[in-house]
Order: sequence, then structure tokens, then C-alpha cells
Amino acid sequence: GAVVSQHPSWVICKSGTSVKIECRSLDFQATTMFWYRQFPKQSLMLMATSNEGSKATYEQGVEKDKFLINHASLTLSTLTVTSAHPEDSSFYICSFLAGGLITDTQYFGPGTRLTVL
Amino acid sequence: DAKTTQPPSMDCAEGRAANLPCNHSTISGNEYVYWYRQIHSQGPQYIIHGLKNNETNEMASLIITEDRKSSTLILPHATLRDTAVYYCIVRVFNSGNTPLVFGKGTRLSVIA
Repeated sequence: GAVVSQHPSWVICKSGTSVKIECRSLDFQATTMFWYRQFPKQSLMLMATSNEGSKATYEQGVEKDKFLINHASLTLSTLTVTSAHPEDSSFYICSFLAGGLITDTQYFGPGTRLTVL
Repeated sequence: DAKTTQPPSMDCAEGRAANLPCNHSTISGNEYVYWYRQIHSQGPQYIIHGLKNNETNEMASLIITEDRKSSTLILPHATLRDTAVYYCIVRVFNSGNTPLVFGKGTRLSVIA
């Protein structure tokens, strides 16, 4: 089945620093991918949608200058949390959309736990 | 996309079938029903999806009522590893950039 990897799986950083999260689809290519975040005991919340080679579209309330998304290829996307603060501590999950005439399914990475001190 | 309603939690004895209901009474004709699950501290895992016919794969079966207003996900022989939050989501198939929108799901606890 479709496999998506994320790196790192967890990271602890100091307030004010930047953190990059990498997301890769290992056995399929995808034009469209999504970034979600999940706070404790809550459901997943969509942060942004991106298409390979294009600028990402951010959901209302998500700062595009703070959460930089680079969808560099059909199998790789990165999310950089710039000048992280404690309120950015969350579980970040990427998802690639395997689309087509037969399939139209989102596959998710295992997530990255970010803790900002 | 149409909204779904799921019970917040359910218990199931290990080895028994787990039947997870979902109500989607406002579903449109071109919307599919997708099921995902999220095991604690992991990303969501795709389980199954369907339009109107019952579907089965190696993980589960999906039963959709004839009027498509509700569905049931069946895990035929639940194990402790099936303990997770299960999400029922409706989405237009091949809708391009439309992402899955997650509700609160059903927390399934499989008990030994």
C-alpha cells in the first residue's frame, strides 16, 4: 500500500528557533498534499494545501509566513515552523493525495510531535 | 461536504466483530464514504471507502444503506491493536484539491 514517511518523528526546540519537518511519499507520486496539525484530545485540523511547484493555500488563521511549505517534488514536501513558540507545540501530520480515475485517497504520514520550550 | 455523526465511544470484546455506525443523512449523490482510523500518536490510516455498494478488503467491510444516509464499518474479528479513533468522512470523489475534513470520530476500545 501507499507509504508516507515523516522526519523527524519528534523534536524539541527552544522558543524562537525554526524547525523543518520533511514528508515523503515512498511508493507513489502526488501532485497535491496537505498539512494538518492536531492538538491534544482534538481532531486533525487542516493547515494548508499545496500543489507541486505552486504556492500553498493556507486555511484561515494559519500564518503563511510562520508555516513555510515547500512542495519541491511529487514525492517530497517540507513544513518549516519559523520562530517557534510554545503555542506551536502540536502533532503535525502530512498527507499526500493519491488521485486518479480509480483511486482518490489521502495517505498520511506517521506525524511529527513538536514541543517548543 | 456533508457532515457525519458518529458515537463518541464504543467498546468491543477481543475476537468479536466491531460494528461502527455513521450517519450521513445529507450525503450528496457524488459523495463517497471514507473510513480512516488513528491509533494513538500516529497518523490516520486509510481503511476503506465506498459509494453505494458494500465493500470489503483485508481490513474491514463497509455496509452502506440503500438510501446512503448511513453506513457501518465492520471489523470482523477485533484485536487489541484495533483500539483507535475511527473517522467516517464523506467526500466528493476526484474533487481535486478537496482535503478530508475530520470530525471527532468514534473511540473504539477493544477489551481483552
